[in-house]
Amino acid sequence: DAGVIQSPRHEVTEMGQEVTLRCKPISGHNSLFWYRQTMMRGLELLIYFNNNVPIDDSGMPEDRFSAKMPNASFSTLKIQPSEPRDSAVYFCASSPRLAGVTGELFFGEGSRLTVL
Amino acid sequence: GEDVEQSLFLSVREGDSSVINCTYTDSSSTYLYWYKQEPGAGLQLLTYIFSNMDMKQDQRLTVLLNKKDKHLSLRIADTQTGDSAIYFCAESIGNTDKLIFGTGTRLQVFP
Repeated sequence: DAGVIQSPRHEVTEMGQEVTLRCKPISGHNSLFWYRQTMMRGLELLIYFNNNVPIDDSGMPEDRFSAKMPNASFSTLKIQPSEPRDSAVYFCASSPRLAGVTGELFFGEGSRLTVL
Repeated sequence: GEDVEQSLFLSVREGDSSVINCTYTDSSSTYLYWYKQEPGAGLQLLTYIFSNMDMKQDQRLTVLLNKKDKHLSLRIADTQTGDSAIYFCAESIGNTDKLIFGTGTRLQVFP
């Protein structure tokens, strides 16, 4: 399996622009997570889905952030409008959900966002 | 609320043991985890421990869990330069898929 695939790997944009980050989870995994990593706040859970349904979005910072999972093999995280404080590495992770299996998360390589 | 705390930095000499500590808050956590992040990469699961265990050993890694104090530690024996990375402690929240991560401990191994 190719693992969790994220795109773009790097994005530099100007304040006010729309940013869309994409994620393809591992085939067969039922849960998908979006995390944000910064030096100041560490790794924060933004939102997670189970069977394509958003379960907990309490970590989404503001209305400028939105996430969708239209099908089992694709998710997007959108920021509109972007601000410099959104600069971070955004990770997508997926997890199988099988009885007796730990909730191990499989992470993508991250999308590094810089908002100027 | 849910919170996982770790010290930010640890520096050890090659060949020595490293001990990374973590405290967590959710007493209903089923599993506790240690993840490793190498530069420019995502996190990878190193090891985990079930909440009814006190200790788990896996080659050079030893995990100790003190449920009473909500304290978790990771010991790396014979630390190598390849062990230099950021190590994250994480707890599962109740019976959900949700994992809360600590701030990460940056381990630096010098010769």
